[in-house]
Amino acid sequence: EAQVTQNPRYLITVTGKKLTVTCSQNMNHEYMSWYRQDPGLGLRQIYYSMNVEVTDKGDVPEGYKVSRKEKRNFPLILESPSPNQTSLYFCASSPNAGEGPHEQYFGPGTRLTVT
Amino acid sequence: KNEVEQSPQNLTAQEGEFITINCSYSVGISALHWLQQHPGGGIVSLFMLSSGKKKHGRLIATINIQEKHSSLHITASHPRDSAVYICAVRYSQKLVFGQGTRLTINP
Repeated sequence: EAQVTQNPRYLITVTGKKLTVTCSQNMNHEYMSWYRQDPGLGLRQIYYSMNVEVTDKGDVPEGYKVSRKEKRNFPLILESPSPNQTSLYFCASSPNAGEGPHEQYFGPGTRLTVT
Repeated sequence: KNEVEQSPQNLTAQEGEFITINCSYSVGISALHWLQQHPGGGIVSLFMLSSGKKKHGRLIATINIQEKHSSLHITASHPRDSAVYICAVRYSQKLVFGQGTRLTINP
């Protein structure tokens, strides 16, 4: 089944404890992206990747890192999480990275709480 | 000013009513997406548009590139249509989202 998977789905952690949220797609998509969703602010893009070893900042990249060593995986790394990173996170992928209309496929979401 | 504006923010209607949700944007785009998010959080892509009109079952989406405006219509609405509907536009390599419209359909 074609899908985007994220792990973990739920995570409660403490300030400063490094964590990684994994994202994997099995559709051989070039483009992958991370978003966070907050009440009153909607969805905002954190980072995106147009292909292996090509990543770029979205609108809210502060406090996050990403890597794209393999086409299928795009982990989101929080080196020193803070309470303002408490949010619902979505990973998404798209077949192509170039200009033009490309369908978006979303993962199930990861609910992160930083205390 | 947000680059993507949706209206209304909240909409409550009776089962069977015709529903319209609007999306206006201020940038040149390569595509516009309509997304659905049910309680519990998962996001499903309903439509991707770069011009004209698309229809899936009871859902219809239109876009007017010159006016930078899109609408999502639901005919014969049903309680299972209750969800948050989100408009998103793609320009350059980014996806920018509207705030969402919370739709509630009462039986």
